Amino acid sequence: AQKITQTQPGMFVQEKEAVTLDCTYDTSDPSYGLFWYKQPSSGEMIFLIYQGSYDQQNATEGRYSLNFQKARKSANLVISASQLGDSAMYFCAMREENAGNNRKLIWGLGTSLAVNP
Amino acid sequence: DVKVTQSSRYLVKRTGEKVFLECVQDMDHENMFWYRQDPGLGLRLIYFSYDVKMKEKGDIPEGYSVSREKKERFSLILESASTNQTSMYLCASSLGGSGRRGEQFFGPGTRLTVL
Repeated sequence: AQKITQTQPGMFVQEKEAVTLDCTYDTSDPSYGLFWYKQPSSGEMIFLIYQGSYDQQNATEGRYSLNFQKARKSANLVISASQLGDSAMYFCAMREENAGNNRKLIWGLGTSLAVNP
Repeated sequence: DVKVTQSSRYLVKRTGEKVFLECVQDMDHENMFWYRQDPGLGLRLIYFSYDVKMKEKGDIPEGYSVSREKKERFSLILESASTNQTSMYLCASSLGGSGRRGEQFFGPGTRLTVL
């Protein structure tokens, strides 16, 4: 079963608008972390934002924020004021802290975002 | 800034050749990872290492081996390259420890084509 599900293979957004990229996860571990990465066409993976399962507040990093709904097991990425440079693949990943091997990240399949001028 | 470098951005090899992909990180990270990325399949973990000379299989280790003789360097080896190993290969490293310390830092990737 998929532990990380990104249901939107592709998304479009107008420049300067906000966009939400969905991520749902499945774990029985009470201690976990959620990561979002961006991959532009150049190929390099760029870390965007992190949310720990015990964090009281939703994470924010500049124009990126994480809409963390623990009971629903969702960790959606919100990009405000989209820019043309935001066009990229976006990946959600999870780390289970108490897993037998907790060094690994479990990855979703990604969402391709296109920002239209 | 953490820097992860990979030996080649693009590589073309022939079927049956032995292929070495090198990865170096400069931040004394404990963990290093090799992934392959194919369209529609996301990132799949091949092998990772949590210390010098220590390695563990990931989700798709068949056809690959790895070597970590020094902490900063992690090599992926294709013993006998095949066309189905044509892919983008990404190396990553992480500090080790809990929480945000699990963040992985990635190299630029190597696009390998096996003819």
